[in-house]
Amino acid sequence: AQKITQTQPGMFVQEKEAVTLDCTYDTSDPSYGLFWYKQPSSGEMIFLIYQGSYDQQNATEGRYSLNFQKARKSANLVISASQLGDSAMYFCAMSPIYNQGGKLIFGQGTELSVKP
Amino acid sequence: EPEVTQTPSHQVTQMGQEVILRCVPISNHLYFYWYRQILGQKVEFLVSFYNNEISEKSEIFDDQFSVERPDGSNFTLKIRSTKLEDSAMYFCASSGLGGALNYEQYFGPGTRLTVT
Repeated sequence: AQKITQTQPGMFVQEKEAVTLDCTYDTSDPSYGLFWYKQPSSGEMIFLIYQGSYDQQNATEGRYSLNFQKARKSANLVISASQLGDSAMYFCAMSPIYNQGGKLIFGQGTELSVKP
Repeated sequence: EPEVTQTPSHQVTQMGQEVILRCVPISNHLYFYWYRQILGQKVEFLVSFYNNEISEKSEIFDDQFSVERPDGSNFTLKIRSTKLEDSAMYFCASSGLGGALNYEQYFGPGTRLTVT
């Protein structure tokens, strides 16, 4: 069975500093996708970044980068130059099917608080 | 920018009543999903829908649940006889531009269902 584990229920970071949110996964599928979503207090789910299991390079999207270590089965999210607006819940997710239409399996989430 | 929309934003219903949650996915997306999030918990997959039929469903999606795409734009989730434990935020999502490698699922703002 596929599983996502986020071991940090809450994290604090100073504004303008970088922060790493941990995510480990477990799957027996050879092909999968890894995702990070942001959920502000308003409740919507905002897609941040995607990494395919066969992608050679780590994904980057603006201030977000995904530190993908396949052998360790980890897909940590790095947010550089934190902003107050980054305060939110962050969910790591996995899709066990390396194509369109696969369900997302989510972790428990990490609540990030950015201090001024 | 195209987005997934959901109505209503908040629905209050009595136990045993039927509810229909509505979603308008991003046009020309091919894959549609429903997820739910009980307050303070992780997001859970309910069902995926492609080519006018269910492609996958979770254990949560029992006989009380059904989905439909009644026309070319709407995607609905029906709960026939609501229970207290159905109280949650329900998210609709869509993905997949036909022919493109696009794995991201775009979420709607959610419908908060409260069963009393």
